Amino acid sequence: AQSVTQLDSQVPVFEEAPVELRCNYSSSVSVYLFWYVQYPNQGLQLLLKYLSGSTLVESINGFEAEFNKSQTSFHLRKPSVHISDTAEYFCAVTPVGGGSYIPTFGRGTSLIVHP
Amino acid sequence: DAGVTQSPTHLIKTRGQQVTLRCSPKSGHDTVSWYQQALGQGPQFIFQYYEEEERQRGNFPDRFSGHQFPNYSSELNVNALLLGDSALYLCASSLHPTGQGSYEQYFGPGTRLTVT
Repeated sequence: AQSVTQLDSQVPVFEEAPVELRCNYSSSVSVYLFWYVQYPNQGLQLLLKYLSGSTLVESINGFEAEFNKSQTSFHLRKPSVHISDTAEYFCAVTPVGGGSYIPTFGRGTSLIVHP
Repeated sequence: DAGVTQSPTHLIKTRGQQVTLRCSPKSGHDTVSWYQQALGQGPQFIFQYYEEEERQRGNFPDRFSGHQFPNYSSELNVNALLLGDSALYLCASSLHPTGQGSYEQYFGPGTRLTVT
């Protein structure tokens, strides 16, 4: 079984400041890793994913995340946030192989960007 | 290209009643998964349908059932509603469960169910 821990339930930050949203996971097998974003009253949108290759992955809107296998982490970072980044962010893991393609989600981190 | 659609957007039901939620997958997708997202929580997996059969199931009671139609759309049924069933119900679609493409799920906007 897998588990995901998002260490911060809420992260307040001022506009144009850097931010890091932390995600740690536990799994007895290899996993793929994902970050999803949920804007108010909307469903989840895939922000970025790590399946293989470079451990640093980037999204089109300036977010990046680095897979650290030894620390079992997949922290999300952005060097300069905007008001529009205010949303709920979910980290998720899916076991590789084994026939299950179902992600396990963390409880989410609410990013609140202040002007 | 239409993404995942869900209906209705909001629903209010009374304890003991039954409810049906609907989902149409993204064009080209044939697999549908349902999730329950309680307030302040991450989505919890209910079950997944592929080829009109339930393929995987999470830790939810039999009161939760589903169906997938030949056009890949899906329904989630919940019987004997409890207050604790109040949540956002999310549908996600993906490609059939083989290969790396199967790991990427596209979510709909959800149905907000309130049980009173």
